[in-house]
Amino acid sequence: DQQVKQNSPSLSVQEGRISILNCDYTNSMFDYFLWYKKYPAEGPTFLISISSIKDKNEDGRFTVFLNKSAKHLSLHIVPSQPGDSAVYFCAASPTFAGGTSYGKLTFGQGTILTVHP
Amino acid sequence: EAQVTQNPRYLITVTGKKLTVTCSQNMNHEYMSWYRQDPGLGLRQIYYSMNVEVTDKGDVPEGYKVSRKEKRNFPLILESPSPNQTSLYFCASSRDGQQETQYFGPGTRLLVL
Repeated sequence: DQQVKQNSPSLSVQEGRISILNCDYTNSMFDYFLWYKKYPAEGPTFLISISSIKDKNEDGRFTVFLNKSAKHLSLHIVPSQPGDSAVYFCAASPTFAGGTSYGKLTFGQGTILTVHP
Repeated sequence: EAQVTQNPRYLITVTGKKLTVTCSQNMNHEYMSWYRQDPGLGLRQIYYSMNVEVTDKGDVPEGYKVSRKEKRNFPLILESPSPNQTSLYFCASSRDGQQETQYFGPGTRLLVL
């Protein structure tokens, strides 16, 4: 049972345009969400996160939006650059007693983003 | 340099031959995890550890063992590997469990024949 889903296996956009990557989740215990970026032959690297008390978080060209009622989040990259071409993973974390997640993360399947020059 | 290291990076083995993939971090992180990445399934957590001698199962623990005898090391043990454990494995660490971001190692590609 996939609790975090990225339904688009791939996305292709032109340099300078907006890239929108989507993620849906089913577990109501999730209240912290992260996006990771992964290049071939490397481990994932943290990109941006959002807590469930917010609906938007920005960091430079990257913005994550969270719609709790729809259990949906999206990552916007504006403007897209060829160096953004990578696999993007959405991940979700619950909060247990004491406010800790114990490092427990559930990932989506990933979306391959290709940005064409 | 802060990093998570894994060894070996590539491994080909045969069914039933015990193997260990090592993981070490130099950031004094309390939390460490193991994941496997498979096509169409993303990354799935195998085991995680909150501190020395404290470990718990993730989403896909069957066929794996872990130990955390020292804070910096978190080896993954396959006692009797099978072909369905052919995968790309990542170790990760984080400073604490309060929704901290995790730092990932470079990955270990395992092929079980």
